[in-house]
Amino acid sequence: DAGITQSPRHKVTETGTPVTLRCHQTENHRYMYWYRQDPGHGLRLIHYSYGVKDTDKGEVSDGYSVSRSKTEDFLLTLESATSSQTSVYFCAISASNLPHSEQYFGPGTRLTVT
Amino acid sequence: TQLLEQSPQFLSIQEGENLTVYCNSSSVFSSLQWYRQEPGEGPVLLVTVVTGGEVKKLKRLTFQFGDARKDSSLHITAAQPGDTGLYLCAGYETGANNLFFGTGTRLTVIP
Repeated sequence: DAGITQSPRHKVTETGTPVTLRCHQTENHRYMYWYRQDPGHGLRLIHYSYGVKDTDKGEVSDGYSVSRSKTEDFLLTLESATSSQTSVYFCAISASNLPHSEQYFGPGTRLTVT
Repeated sequence: TQLLEQSPQFLSIQEGENLTVYCNSSSVFSSLQWYRQEPGEGPVLLVTVVTGGEVKKLKRLTFQFGDARKDSSLHITAAQPGDTGLYLCAGYETGANNLFFGTGTRLTVIP
C-alpha cells in the first residue's frame, strides 16, 4: 500500500470556522492532489501540487487554499467553512502527471459543517 | 455538466450473474482508468487503457476502450460478493494533465 495518511479522519465543525486537513506521504512522490467526493459527482479536483511551493487550482477550488512546504505534506484549508463544503476529502499522490500515471489515494477525511 | 457519465448508477445482482458498466463522454481521452472503491477507503486503480479499441482482462473483469477513445466499458463475468463496491472510471482528456472522474457505479452482489 502507498504510504499516504490523512488527518483527521473525521471532523465536525461549525459554519464560519477555519479548517485544515493534512495529507502526509512517505513515497517522495512529486505530485499531490486534493479531491472531494459527493454523491452524484464522483471525485472532483480541488487543488494540486507539482512540487514544494508549486500549486495550482482544480475544478472546484473556490473557498479552498493549499500549501506545500515539504515534499511529504500537502495541506488543504477551508478559510471559513460552509455547509456546502460538507464532503469526504481524499488526498492522492502520483509519481508523474503523464496521462497514464496511476494515482494512489489516502483513506479520506469525512468533514461535516453544521 | 459531468465530463464522464457512468451507467447504471446502481446495480444489484445475484452471485454468478454477468454485468456490464459503461463510461461515456463526448470528449476524447488520451487514456481511461478504472478504479474500485470500498466503503471508508480511497479508490484503488484496477486498469489503465490507452489505445482505442484496446481490451484488457483482469481475471473475471474485462475492460474495453472505445475505438474513438470517448467511452469505456467494464464487464464482470460470474460476479462474486467480493466484487461489491463503487466502480469509478477516470480519464485524462486529450491535452490535459488532470484526471477527471465519472459519477460512479455502485455494485452490490448478493450471495
